[in-house]
Amino acid sequence: NAGVTQTPKFRILKIGQSMTLQCAQDMNHNYMYWYRQDPGMGLKLIYYSVGAGITDKGEVPNGYNVSRSTTEDFPLRLELAAPSQTSVYFCASSYQVGRYNQPQHFGDGTRLSIL
Amino acid sequence: GQQLNQSPQSMFIQEGEDVSMNCTSSSIFNTWLWYKQDPGEGPVLLIALYKAGELTSNGRLTAQFGITRKDSFLNISASIPSDVGIYFCAGHPLGGGSQGNLIFGKGTKLSVKP
Repeated sequence: NAGVTQTPKFRILKIGQSMTLQCAQDMNHNYMYWYRQDPGMGLKLIYYSVGAGITDKGEVPNGYNVSRSTTEDFPLRLELAAPSQTSVYFCASSYQVGRYNQPQHFGDGTRLSIL
Repeated sequence: GQQLNQSPQSMFIQEGEDVSMNCTSSSIFNTWLWYKQDPGEGPVLLIALYKAGELTSNGRLTAQFGITRKDSFLNISASIPSDVGIYFCAGHPLGGGSQGNLIFGKGTKLSVKP
């Protein structure tokens, strides 16, 4: 089972460039999430989606955009890369039924450097 | 925003030692999760706790959901070298809504004693 797959694994961008981080899951999970992890810190939620066509902001959404056209895919877009966006980005998914929160499953991350 | 205070921040272990770490919050959580992250990889779920007072084991790992619903601990018995890594507590806060939002602690880094 592939689980949650993120591409690319590494990327270096110049300030002002744009790029899309890809995330796909094959577990038929309805919820998907994007987090960033800065050195020595826990994960902070950027955006999340409760199903295809529905997205919402997390704790640190500024500078990012997302879309969810299918259940499987949840890409994260950086429009104008800034040095503050240098981080490790993790995509996660879970299956939520009603008010019962199921554990999230994570991809291996995308390491992004903005120079 | 809501925060989880995880301690210790780091610790050194010798093979065979027992390890304990904990997580506390000023607000109530209705789920507690413990993840382990190895270098270059994403967090991997170790144990999930859903009820106050629940004590759950996964091999040499044992975790408990505190009675007050504001804390949780993780114990590792008879540690082995592959236990090194960063351990994160995470929780779903009460009233956190339907988004399944997870709040993460800052992690406990486990290293081998030189």
